[in-house]
Amino acid sequence: DAKTTQPTSMDCAEGRAANLPCNHSTISGNEYVYWYRQIHSQGPQYIIHGLKNNETNEMASLIITEDRKSSTLILPHATLRDTAVYYCIVRPLSYGQNFVFGPGTRLSVLP
Amino acid sequence: DAGITQSPRHKVTETGTPVTLRCHQTENHRYMYWYRQDPGHGLRLIHYSYGVKDTDKGEVSDGYSVSRSKTEDFLLTLESATSSQTSVYFCAISEPLSYEQYFGPGTRLTVT
Repeated sequence: DAKTTQPTSMDCAEGRAANLPCNHSTISGNEYVYWYRQIHSQGPQYIIHGLKNNETNEMASLIITEDRKSSTLILPHATLRDTAVYYCIVRPLSYGQNFVFGPGTRLSVLP
Repeated sequence: DAGITQSPRHKVTETGTPVTLRCHQTENHRYMYWYRQDPGHGLRLIHYSYGVKDTDKGEVSDGYSVSRSKTEDFLLTLESATSSQTSVYFCAISEPLSYEQYFGPGTRLTVT
């Protein structure tokens, strides 16, 4: 799997947008960018994924640079319940391949 | 939430004793995974299964064995628990070519 680099921790004010960066400079052409999050000892939860186009769903937006070497996860209006560890993962869409979770970014949403 | 349960949710055991953790799913997903999570290491794959009786090793499989005799159950066994196996264990499920894995609530295991 391509390696990703994320900041260790970030703070965000409640109600503001949270922008979480991820570098994946060695990403291959067939590898997708995935984001998961883990809220306080629960199992990780899928947020969003993309290949090269920007993506949006009810939880977040994913912005991928044109060269695909980095991406940003955007939580448009962060709430206290968004406090979690956020994982950026790159991997191909293949049969049964596991996700490799690095240390992620610990996001703290402050009141 | 996906129908995944893990049992037990918490367990304390002594060094050298055998331990079996159970993952049960009601989603009929083909793939099942066992991860462990330790501070500073993220989640690491122990074993996974791609069908009944079909399993393979992950990144940190030493000291662990698995079995899957039914689609819905995936068992993780520590034949002789050691203190280094104190961890939180997560089970996950997915379908082939799926972009999403669904995770269970976790089992906190302490080996004294």
